[in-house]
Amino acid sequence: QQPVQSPQAVILREGEDAVINCSSSKALYSVHWYRQKHGEAPVFLMILLKGGEQKGHEKISASFNEKKQQSSLYLTASQLSYSGTYFCGTLGGGSNYKLTFGKGTLLTVNP
Amino acid sequence: DAGVTQSPTHLIKTRGQHVTLRCSPISGHKSVSWYQQVLGQGPQFIFQYYEKEERGRGNFPDRFSARQFPNYSSELNVNALLLGDSALYLCASSLGMGASEQYFGPGTRLTVT
Repeated sequence: QQPVQSPQAVILREGEDAVINCSSSKALYSVHWYRQKHGEAPVFLMILLKGGEQKGHEKISASFNEKKQQSSLYLTASQLSYSGTYFCGTLGGGSNYKLTFGKGTLLTVNP
Repeated sequence: DAGVTQSPTHLIKTRGQHVTLRCSPISGHKSVSWYQQVLGQGPQFIFQYYEKEERGRGNFPDRFSARQFPNYSSELNVNALLLGDSALYLCASSLGMGASEQYFGPGTRLTVT
């Protein structure tokens, strides 16, 4: 099933913080975060693995609650370059490696 | 180092035709995944190939097929095109399969008329 992202859209002023949430109805092995700017390909930000191991992107952090099958992406002191659509992708266990993306959260950072 | 490359950039086809999309992964990457993205939606998983074998398949009809070559490049084939196949087709490469960082190519914009 497709993960649910919230909010659908958020508008910030430069320097403000934002949190984007991603939740799934199934048990997750990993959560992947990407940012896509208009007309461009998605760019990898971060993977969170079951068991707590985290890989990351400077100035952006994330958490993964395995019990609730939820992940949150934290953007602090936002910059204009943070604008774009953020997608979470989820991977369950099993042998079918099917990364399922949410519908995205549109983040707009204004001066 | 070169990133993921895809060809062609844009393509216009007629309903019922066949199309082949190509992808070259980042050097050293052994896995290629294909996604379909329609406007306003997240990428939808089609296939993942690792070491030339299919390792994952999404909910797409049998009209969609793919393969990976010994040099790890890949082709996505779509037969009997429908209007609903119009989308951006993205290829992503990674070192391994599953929970690995994926790096996307610029995509192929397919329009079916």
